[in-house]
Amino acid sequence: DAKTTQPTSMDCAEGRAANLPCNHSTISGNEYVYWYRQIHSQGPQYIIHGLKNNETNEMASLIITEDRKSSTLILPHATLRDTAVYYCIVRARTSSGGGADGLTFGKGTHLIIQP
Amino acid sequence: SAVISQKPSRDICQRGTSLTIQCQVDSQVTMMFWYRQQPGQSLTLIATANQGSEATYESGFVIDKFPISRPNLTFSTLTVSNMSPEDSSIYLCSVLGDRGFRETQYFGPGTRLLVL
Repeated sequence: DAKTTQPTSMDCAEGRAANLPCNHSTISGNEYVYWYRQIHSQGPQYIIHGLKNNETNEMASLIITEDRKSSTLILPHATLRDTAVYYCIVRARTSSGGGADGLTFGKGTHLIIQP
Repeated sequence: SAVISQKPSRDICQRGTSLTIQCQVDSQVTMMFWYRQQPGQSLTLIATANQGSEATYESGFVIDKFPISRPNLTFSTLTVSNMSPEDSSIYLCSVLGDRGFRETQYFGPGTRLLVL
């Protein structure tokens, strides 16, 4: 079962920042928070991941609370092409031998960017 | 990152037949995964396929129904055997990155299967 809770859907106006929340209150110390998105009829696209510090890349920012029980994905200037299902996932870091569990997907948040 | 391709991209098959889906990666990767996404649903992990060992299947999935091959570090196949309409889904290949991207999992474009 997925270890995260996300709103089923959200709307955001084009050009505004989209803030997608995720609750992962049972996260353990060796688990990362990952965000992926799936645009209709495509494979999931990696966005960002973090352990405990905030992270930023060319796509988004990830804000993780100090207690690590929740996080927020921020798309700073949403466009119509950002309309997708966004998945927040937690997974343990890879082992020293390189092994890892496959990602477990929940239902995600359907983000709709309004023109 | 890793670039993943899948063949076929889509197919329509008759019940009782089998389909083999191919997954090709542009770099050598240790871990590969196969997922299923049924219509309107999220992704479900079918199995983990590491080169040189038998695939590890998740609960509800068995080797007789979904045999997997992993002959080398850049290629894998998933066969959907004795298909029924309930097997109509998107099947996705995924890999765990290597060399600096070991914490990131990448996905292929998927194979859309319709069983009549």
